[in-house]
Amino acid sequence: TQLLEQSPQFLSIQEGENLTVYCNSSSVFSSLQWYRQEPGEGPVLLVTVVTGGEVKKLKRLTFQFGDARKDSSLHITAAQPGDTGLYLCAGVQGASGAGSYQLTFGKGTKLSVIP
Amino acid sequence: DAGVIQSPRHEVTEMGQEVTLRCKPISGHNSLFWYRQTMMRGLELLIYFNNNVPIDDSGMPEDRFSAKMPNASFSTLKIQPSEPRDSAVYFCASSFASGGPDTQYFGPGTRLTVL
Repeated sequence: TQLLEQSPQFLSIQEGENLTVYCNSSSVFSSLQWYRQEPGEGPVLLVTVVTGGEVKKLKRLTFQFGDARKDSSLHITAAQPGDTGLYLCAGVQGASGAGSYQLTFGKGTKLSVIP
Repeated sequence: DAGVIQSPRHEVTEMGQEVTLRCKPISGHNSLFWYRQTMMRGLELLIYFNNNVPIDDSGMPEDRFSAKMPNASFSTLKIQPSEPRDSAVYFCASSFASGGPDTQYFGPGTRLTVL
């Protein structure tokens, strides 16, 4: 079983602060996805990173995939209350021949941004 | 466009009762996934289908759980008999398998409480 460890588990910060959350594994993934989940809803995909060392930006969010494709980080600049939610990373495993990809999720980082 | 539809949104039942959760994937998607989310274990893949065929059910906890996908627009997850430890939020997700890392679209979930 390929495990993804996310840290920190909980994070509470003031509006305007910067933060970084981490996703680590001992296994190599073909790619990695980040999702955000709000209370009472399902996770929503934010980004997919594919290449080792890749950096993707989504407004104030910066995602990085480790060179060895075992870890990833999410950095939020000037956090806003609207960023509050559960951030999940998911390692992507190809299901050869089956035509679909499985996701292995970390347990997430619960972020609260206080106005 | 309608997203993934799940019903019911909330289910409260007594131990030993049969529970059936329902999912309608996004039209045109060919892969469907059932997940379970708890505080302790996070988001776990139970089973997934590709073109209505079960591909991997290794995440199904035990024989009390079963899932079917009789056609491309409907799937069920059944628990019989239910136990208190089955209490969790159950998510259905769908995607279009295109040969690369898919985007999985999650439904709003069914919150199951077994008393």
